Amino acid sequence: EIVLTQSPDFQSVTPKEKVTITCRASQSIGSSLHWYQQKPDQSPKLLIKFASQSFSGVPSRFSGSGSGTDFTLTINSLEAEDAATYYCHQSSSLPRTFGQGTKVEIK
Amino acid sequence: EVQLVESGGGLVKPGGSLRLSCAASGFTFSTYTMNWIRQAPGKGLEWVSSISSSSNYIDYADSVKGRFTISRDNAKNSLYLQMDSLRAEDTAVYYCARDITPLLLIIAYWGQGTLVTVSS
Repeated sequence: EIVLTQSPDFQSVTPKEKVTITCRASQSIGSSLHWYQQKPDQSPKLLIKFASQSFSGVPSRFSGSGSGTDFTLTINSLEAEDAATYYCHQSSSLPRTFGQGTKVEIK
Repeated sequence: EVQLVESGGGLVKPGGSLRLSCAASGFTFSTYTMNWIRQAPGKGLEWVSSISSSSNYIDYADSVKGRFTISRDNAKNSLYLQMDSLRAEDTAVYYCARDITPLLLIIAYWGQGTLVTVSS
């Protein structure tokens, strides 16, 4: 099973700041890494697929990068509505696994 | 518009059973792999099970293997999860989820979830 480890677990950020979340895989997964946003009491929403491809309708301030074992989600110019928990997810091999999540709080 | 609506959650005693349903609409259900994902209270996401479009491929997380059974009825656009021998650690919100395309295994669409509570 591929283990995904996110860092940090929690981040408190002021609006308009840049946020960087990393996800490290326990073995190489190519670019089969995807990012989700989950706001309180809502279901997750796909933000980024295949490490760097934005999903339909996602604001341009969200971007992803990386390949192999190290990946990054970047939120440029954080907005209040971005307060959420962010998860990475790999589809390179079964079982599908998720990172433990990174909670982003707005100061 | 893709819509996934789960039902069937509730309170059940340890060792009991529950059957979750997911009604799908807004897409050709019979062509997509479908999934169940769960989230324990205050915890992260855990993949539970997947079923291919024609039910010829099924897989389970080790934590539920032998206790849960996934199935689908393409004529009714419905996905199911039969949960037997339930344990306290199965307490979670269960999400029905669809892959992004019939060929790409990326979970892209989620239902609103249904809460399963296992407690005496």
